This record gives sequence, structure tokens and C-alpha cells, in this order.
Amino acid sequence: QVQLQESGPGLVKPSETLSLTCSVSGGSINNFYWNWIRQSPGKGLEWIGYIYDIGTTTYNPSLQSRVTFSVDTSKNQFSLQLHSVTSADTALYYCARGNTAMLPYHYYYMDVWGKGTRVTVSS
Amino acid sequence: DIQLTQSPSSLSASVGDRVTITCRASLTINNYLNWYQQKPGTAPKLLIYAASTLQSGVPSRFSGSGSGTDFTLNINSLQPEDFATYYCQQSYSTSWTFGQGTKVEIK
Repeated sequence: QVQLQESGPGLVKPSETLSLTCSVSGGSINNFYWNWIRQSPGKGLEWIGYIYDIGTTTYNPSLQSRVTFSVDTSKNQFSLQLHSVTSADTALYYCARGNTAMLPYHYYYMDVWGKGTRVTVSS
Repeated sequence: DIQLTQSPSSLSASVGDRVTITCRASLTINNYLNWYQQKPGTAPKLLIYAASTLQSGVPSRFSGSGSGTDFTLNINSLQPEDFATYYCQQSYSTSWTFGQGTKVEIK
């Protein structure tokens, strides 16, 4: 069964770039939408965006100016870069697989999630 | 962005109770609405997609309904493992959004 694992530094300095990678095991990275979601301490879920396997991206408008996604299909990995971070970017970051169902239209949902990785922005 | 407002923000219930959580969208989203369950220290888990389709492996005591702007998640006969926070999420617009969550606590 498909599993996702986030990895990256747990501590990032203000104004620097947060970089995370999500490794996909047990299945192909092709034909899915690969998402990043974050959850600030004690808060709800914030969708950051997704990348499709061929590299098409959609970002949350509130983060669009600072976010870059990439995908490496040969490694079955996708990555997040969040630039110019501040303490407001301190959160638990999840990656998740976006899947679709034809019912009969395309419905999108996130059916497999990583366990999350905690990132703290602090000097 | 499409805003999703869940109510209540929290509720207390007993094992065996029927629980209803609502999610209201700021614009019509047809039935592009998903529900997730999150337990403390764990990632969200998909329960229902397309407003009413139960994800494989999810117990049948969970059900969803609604279309347009108003949606409901029902839990029949609440079980101890159902105490968690529940989130709705829309995938109608290109920018997906979540509701703020509803915490279901033990009475």
C-alpha cells in the first residue's frame, strides 16, 4: 500500500527557505496530484497546493508568491520550497496524495497522508 | 477563496449518540466536499468524498449528505474511537480550502 514520508530540516531561520521532500513508496507517483498541507500549533489545516506528476502546479493564493513545488518521478519524490519564512510558517507540514473519482465528474480528494514533519522557524 | 464554516466548533457526546456536524460553503460547490477525521498526534484520515461517498474501509456509521452550500456529516452510534476533530474540505475551486474543524469530545 502507498506510504508517504516527509523529510527535511526541523529548524529554519527567519528569512531563509524551508525545503521539504515527500517520498512515495508502494506505488507510482504518476497520475496523481501531490499535495502539501500545514497545520500551525493548535490550529486547523491549511492547504498549500499541489503538483501533478508532469509538473503542473496549483498554489494557495495566500502563499503563491513564496512557494515552489517540484517533482522527481525517477525518485518517486516531490518537494516543497517556502521562501522568506517567518515565525508564522512554524507548523506541522504534511504531504498527501490527491486522487480522483469519476462520479461521473472528476472529484478530487486526499486519500493518503504522510505522518507529518514539524518545522520551527526561529533564529 | 471559498470559505467553509463548520458548526459547532466543538461538541460533547456520549458513546452511542448520533452526532451531526455541518459545513457551510460561502459559494455553491455542488458536491465537491470531503470530510476528514484527525486524532491527536496523527495525520487526517479521509472519511467521505464527493459529499456522500464513503471511503473504502470507513465504518458505515459515518455518512455524508448535502449539495450546493450546505453539507452534513453524521456519525451514528458514536464509538470511543470516533472522538476526534473533523474537517470538511472543498475541491470545487482550484484553491482548495478546509473548514476550521469540529472537535468531538467525550461527555
